[in-house]
Amino acid sequence: DAGITQSPRYKITETGRQVTLMCHQTWSHSYMFWYRQDLGHGLRLIYYSAAADITDKGEVPDGYVVSRSKTENFPLTLESATRSQTSVYFCASSGDRNSPLHFGNGTRLTVT
Amino acid sequence: QKEVEQDPGPLSVPEGAIVSLNCTYSNSAFQYFMWYRQYSRKGPELLMYTYSSGNKEDGRFTAQVDKSSKYISLFIRDSQPSDSATYLCATGNAGNMLTFGGGTRLMVKP
Repeated sequence: DAGITQSPRYKITETGRQVTLMCHQTWSHSYMFWYRQDLGHGLRLIYYSAAADITDKGEVPDGYVVSRSKTENFPLTLESATRSQTSVYFCASSGDRNSPLHFGNGTRLTVT
Repeated sequence: QKEVEQDPGPLSVPEGAIVSLNCTYSNSAFQYFMWYRQYSRKGPELLMYTYSSGNKEDGRFTAQVDKSSKYISLFIRDSQPSDSATYLCATGNAGNMLTFGGGTRLMVKP
């Protein structure tokens, strides 16, 4: 099916562990984004990518690493997870700067 | 002060009511205005997209932008229980570089 898929849907990990959240889109959109959604803060941009091999920081990048070797994939890695990174993570894509964001259904991450 | 402010609700209305959802924003340079709908345990989905000011209508939904007062509104006519969701306003300098409000939770009761 066409669209944007995130995996896993749910993840529980321990403090200090590395965890990678996956995002895959089938539209060949140039832009891809990672957001986190928390009560009281809404959606906040972590990182985004305008094309393969081009990434840039958003509002809350600390503790996260991204890569984009292929247009369709944009994984997000938490190098050493902390409890404050417990959140719902959304991946989104967009065809160009004037086009709206299309979101995946999120990954609910709990860090214990 | 947040760049985009939105009353978190919850807003509870009876079926058939007209719903008014609102946001204020602080950056007068913003030209793109969106409303997203988010059902529980799902990702946000685009509902309305407006560039610059004015009104846009799509079925039961009307989006309004008043740039002079930095005020964004979404009206839902003949609200249905299926409209129960969280509504996120978003604005920015580009269609894909947005600042989001915190969302308003709407409950439409049969």
